[in-house]
Amino acid sequence: RKEVEQDPGPFNVPEGATVAFNCTYSNSASQSFFWYRQDCRKEPKLLMSVYSSGNEDGRFTAQLNRASQYISLLIRDSKLSDSATYLCVIRGVNNAGNMLTFGGGTRLMVKP
Amino acid sequence: GAVVSQHPSRVICKSGTSVKIECRSLDFQATTMFWYRQFPKKSLMLMATSNEGSKATYEQGVEKDKFLINHASLTLSTLTVTSAHPEDSSFYICSVLGGETQYFGPGTRLLVL
Repeated sequence: RKEVEQDPGPFNVPEGATVAFNCTYSNSASQSFFWYRQDCRKEPKLLMSVYSSGNEDGRFTAQLNRASQYISLLIRDSKLSDSATYLCVIRGVNNAGNMLTFGGGTRLMVKP
Repeated sequence: GAVVSQHPSRVICKSGTSVKIECRSLDFQATTMFWYRQFPKKSLMLMATSNEGSKATYEQGVEKDKFLINHASLTLSTLTVTSAHPEDSSFYICSVLGGETQYFGPGTRLLVL
């Protein structure tokens, strides 16, 4: 089983739609959780951290369920510029320090 | 502005040659830097953790003699792909931990012919 699993998509949605991505992780000792966005042929960029209480940043809402080891990202009122790959990222700690584990990413394509 | 820079951004080389990639932390001193590799349509995979002034820590399956890492200063880590082969063609990305946030360099796209 992969440490971090995501539906690869692609999710093809019209502008204005609401879309939700899910992610599951296997290591119950994982400490921190993030959603990153990666545009084609670019580096990942932090979209938002994910907290157990749930958090919102504009059109984006992230949720964490530690009991089920499950993370979600909700995007409301999709824009064309939201088209990208969304990476679920978990931070644990290895012997060398903080370590990020990436999911395979979910590709979103927002159409006019 | 950018927090982490990488050079070069793209490189094409012949099989058997060595390629050096530089990663610089621009905004703060970094005792630890991370090197990732990403194949097309795949996830980022951690290759190694670069430690300033000491040996790098390599992930399982990554050959330390093939991927040489040097972290000689608090702002610079280098990754050298030695005797590169076509299967080493990939997107190499470094990152730096700043507080709770991990910042990524813009990546280096390596193509080995």
